[in-house]
Amino acid sequence: EAQVTQNPRYLITVTGKKLTVTCSQNMNHEYMSWYRQDPGLGLRQIYYSMNVEVTDKGDVPEGYKVSRKEKRNFPLILESPSPNQTSLYFCASSGQREFSYEQYFGPGTRLTVT
Amino acid sequence: AQSVTQLDSQVPVFEEAPVELRCNYSSSVSVYLFWYVQYPNQGLQLLLKYLSGSTLVKGINGFEAEFNKSQTSFHLRKPSVHISDTAEYFCAVSVYGAAGNKLTFGGGTRVLVKP
Repeated sequence: EAQVTQNPRYLITVTGKKLTVTCSQNMNHEYMSWYRQDPGLGLRQIYYSMNVEVTDKGDVPEGYKVSRKEKRNFPLILESPSPNQTSLYFCASSGQREFSYEQYFGPGTRLTVT
Repeated sequence: AQSVTQLDSQVPVFEEAPVELRCNYSSSVSVYLFWYVQYPNQGLQLLLKYLSGSTLVKGINGFEAEFNKSQTSFHLRKPSVHISDTAEYFCAVSVYGAAGNKLTFGGGTRVLVKP
């Protein structure tokens, strides 16, 4: 089954404690992205990757890091989380085929930083 | 840059009644348009998309949307809703060549279907 998986689904942590949210896709997609969802703001892109070792900032990158060492994986790293990073996070992937454009989303990770 | 405005943050509707969710966008270039649905505690699922061609687009679960270029709108409609349509709906845009097929989302519309 074609899917995007994220782990963990729920995470409660304290300010300053480094954490990593994993994302994996099995569709051999070139493009992967991280979004955060906040009430009334919809989803906003944090970082994206065009392919292995190619990443770039999205609209709200402050406080986040990413890496793309393998095509299927795109972890999101919060090196020193703060309460304003409490949010619902989604990983998404998309193929490079022309006229595709559809993004496939993971189930989400709800992060609470106290 | 693109922006998306969903004019209603919440829409209550009775079962079997029609519903329309409004979406307006702003862009200096041609756009591709999407509607996604998020059921409680789930990820986003694509309802329908407009890339080119007919401006009336039919999607899954009986939803349809109409692209109106002059009004820069992409409103979503369903003639008769079910309880199971209770969810949050997001309108999104992308542009040709957008890095990573980036989507710009509206703020979402919560639909609550009442029996």
